[in-house]
Amino acid sequence: EPEVTQTPSHQVTQMGQEVILRCVPISNHLYFYWYRQILGQKVEFLVSFYNNEISEKSEIFDDQFSVERPDGSNFTLKIRSTKLEDSAMYFCASSRAQNTEAFFGQGTRLTVV
Amino acid sequence: GNSVTQMEGPVTLSEEAFLTINCTYTATGYPSLFWYVQYPGEGLQLLLKATKADDKGSNKGFEATYRKETTSFHLEKGSVQVSDSAVYFCALRRRAGGTSYGKLTFGQGTILTVHP
Repeated sequence: EPEVTQTPSHQVTQMGQEVILRCVPISNHLYFYWYRQILGQKVEFLVSFYNNEISEKSEIFDDQFSVERPDGSNFTLKIRSTKLEDSAMYFCASSRAQNTEAFFGQGTRLTVV
Repeated sequence: GNSVTQMEGPVTLSEEAFLTINCTYTATGYPSLFWYVQYPGEGLQLLLKATKADDKGSNKGFEATYRKETTSFHLEKGSVQVSDSAVYFCALRRRAGGTSYGKLTFGQGTILTVHP
């Protein structure tokens, strides 16, 4: 069964460092998403991506964040200069269309120290 | 704006007990409603959904009915199993002008633990 895969499963980084979280969406999907969940809080939408551009982003997704689909299979989330409050579980998701089921990866736990 | 509120957890039940996890929402228009489940070490999986008022979503013995009058989508199961232990998330996806947008708005999640 096709699935969304995320790497790494856990990343520890120092404050101020850049991190790249990687995702491989399901191959025939066209819409890609990043969500995050700070421990004990809600799962929050960060950004959606379609046709090689951002289609929607939340107020959380500021200039420190960027997304890219560099090679037609990977979908990455970059945080340019991490802060302590960026520590969270980051989920990637993909869907075939905007109104079809979104499939989620298992998440990357980012810890900023 | 849109929001989803779930009952506070965690919830601990014995096997074969009845489960209810409450979910209420605030949204403009007529959103689609979802329950996602996250088993330990895995990603979020769609459990069930309902796209219009009075629709009932069901899967694996779980049910939820879209109640527009009470803006609710409570999750129920008549007899839980140990294997149902997971985190359950209620979510909505807005719809505008007949078009559904992809962004999901989630509740905070409810941890369910079922003991033998």
